[in-house]
Amino acid sequence: EEQLMESGGGLVQPGGSLRLSCAASGFTFVNFWMHWVRQVPGKGLAWVAHVNSDGSSTFYADAVKGRFTLSRDNSKNMVYLQMNSLRVDDTAVYFCSRVHSSGWGLDPWGQGTLVTVSS
Amino acid sequence: SYELTQPPSVSVSPGQTATITCSGDNLGDSYTCWYQQKPGRSPVLVIYKDDKRPSGISERFSGSTSGNTATLTISGTQAVDEADYYCQGWNRPYVFGSGTKVTVL
Repeated sequence: EEQLMESGGGLVQPGGSLRLSCAASGFTFVNFWMHWVRQVPGKGLAWVAHVNSDGSSTFYADAVKGRFTLSRDNSKNMVYLQMNSLRVDDTAVYFCSRVHSSGWGLDPWGQGTLVTVSS
Repeated sequence: SYELTQPPSVSVSPGQTATITCSGDNLGDSYTCWYQQKPGRSPVLVIYKDDKRPSGISERFSGSTSGNTATLTISGTQAVDEADYYCQGWNRPYVFGSGTKVTVL
């Protein structure tokens, strides 16, 4: 079964840092681009970032550009989202997701990890 | 900033057809994907590349596009289809639509 599992969420003060991890299993990880999407509780989905298959290229939403860094370790089937200079409006559930096998759309998704930025 | 607009809510009677639209400037320049999200759950891809259904997704779900508007249609809607639905433009910056809550009355 193709699975993604996020970890690393929690409570952090404004201006602080947090690193989210996403563990992949059940598929050939090195073949797929990976994405992060976030969702403020009760609100809609917002795309955050993606990384290509070998980790050489990343792209970020304007809202996180310059503060978040996405990386991957293909030897460990892991994706990492380093979040710095966190703001209150970064509070959200963060989902890790994989590009669908067709190359279009995101599937599967992890269960999400909650990040709360508050003093 | 680029936005994709969806109706906030759609109500449908069981067995009837639910139609959800997604519109945005230049949406026609890329393929559209659709996701279903039930309360407390992660999103699930129900349509990719405008009109393709992933394996395991009911044939009740279909997608189409015309110009800068994409449409998700749920035929013979069932109570189990009650959820939030989001469109997404499949090109950078991969914007999601505002979401539509489908209620089966």
